[in-house]
Amino acid sequence: DAKTTQPPSMDCAEGRAANLPCNHSTISGNEYVYWYRQIHSQGPQYIIHGLKNNETNEMASLIITEDRKSSTLILPHATLRDTAVYYCIVRLPRTYKYIFGTGTRLKVLA
Amino acid sequence: NAGVTQTPKFQVLKTGQSMTLQCAQDMNHNSMYWYRQDPGMGLRLIYYSASEGTTDKGEVPNGYNVSRLNKREFSLRLESAAPSQTSVYFCASSEPGSGANVLTFGAGSRLTVL
Repeated sequence: DAKTTQPPSMDCAEGRAANLPCNHSTISGNEYVYWYRQIHSQGPQYIIHGLKNNETNEMASLIITEDRKSSTLILPHATLRDTAVYYCIVRLPRTYKYIFGTGTRLKVLA
Repeated sequence: NAGVTQTPKFQVLKTGQSMTLQCAQDMNHNSMYWYRQDPGMGLRLIYYSASEGTTDKGEVPNGYNVSRLNKREFSLRLESAAPSQTSVYFCASSEPGSGANVLTFGAGSRLTVL
């Protein structure tokens, strides 16, 4: 599975869009990009995933560059409850080794 | 649905004691996982079970054993606990045949080894 690089921390004003970047320059053609988040010490929660096309669900949007070497998770209207650590993971969908890095600690400010 | 249930939620052990962390899922998932998370760190994979009857080592398997008791249950055993095993342990499950193979996590088990 390809490695990912994320900034260690970011701040965002409440109500504004939070844009969390992830670099995955060694991604292969069949590897998906997954995003999870962990609030306090709870178990991580799945947010969204994608392969090539941009994706949107009720929680967030995922923008993947055309060369697939990087992606951005967008929380369109961040709230205080979005304060969490966000993990970007690249993997083949039918492999079993989900490897988490240290993620980005997002702090949403009132 | 309860999802993934872990027991116990908290445990304090003395060095050298043994214990088993229990995990059960009710989503009929084939794959199950054990992770540990040390303070300020990301999650590290200890062991996983791709399907009932199989187990494999992850990133940090030393000092642990696992048992996939049946499709629902996956236990993690510490035979001789060490202070370095003080951590929060998360169990997760997924269904590889579902396409997305998204992980669902339990609430965690906080273990302190004195």
